[in-house]
Amino acid sequence: EVQLVESGGGLIQPGGSLRLSCAASGFTVSSNYMTWVRQAPGKGLEWVSVIYSGGSTYYADSVKGRFTISRDNSKNTLYLQMNSLRAEDTAVYYCATGSGTYFEYWGQGTLVTVSS
Amino acid sequence: QSALTQPASVSGSPGQSITISCTGTSSDVGGYNYVSWYQQHPGKAPKLMIYDVSNRPSGVSNRFSGSKSGNTASLTISGLQAEDEADYYCSSYTSSTTMVFGGGTKLTVL
Repeated sequence: EVQLVESGGGLIQPGGSLRLSCAASGFTVSSNYMTWVRQAPGKGLEWVSVIYSGGSTYYADSVKGRFTISRDNSKNTLYLQMNSLRAEDTAVYYCATGSGTYFEYWGQGTLVTVSS
Repeated sequence: QSALTQPASVSGSPGQSITISCTGTSSDVGGYNYVSWYQQHPGKAPKLMIYDVSNRPSGVSNRFSGSKSGNTASLTISGLQAEDEADYYCSSYTSSTTMVFGGGTKLTVL
């Protein structure tokens, strides 16, 4: 059974950094397309970043240069390093996997709140 | 990376059919057969309902169907049930090798 469990969210001051983790089970992270999607409170879904099985990474313009997606194959875990955080980054962050064109499995999400 | 355009809300009575539209451009919806649809109940993670325009994952009711014409994709739910009340989001692959979501549509079952 495929499972994704996010962690690492919390309250952080503007300008700060945070690293989210997404522990996977039931499949191999390094062999799959892995993505981060976020949802601000009361708002819609926003695609954030992707890492392909070959290692290529892509980012939404809103986070490019500030966020870095990576994975640890030995831990079967996906990460999102978030730097220079802004109030508008406040959201529930979901990790998801599927094909390269849709998201079949989702985690339960982790809340990141950027506030002073 | 502009969001795809969806109606903010739609409604229907039990047993009826409704359709939610999702409009993009030739760089996303119109350029690829890679539109997907997600259902999200309050406080829950999204659930994949349709992928690659018109395919249903295993376990999704055949009351849900998808289609596309030009730059606009559509999700149709037939035989509306109370449990269908939720937010629905479309998504598309883009020419920038990224993904984009629609703004979401709140479905109310009257």
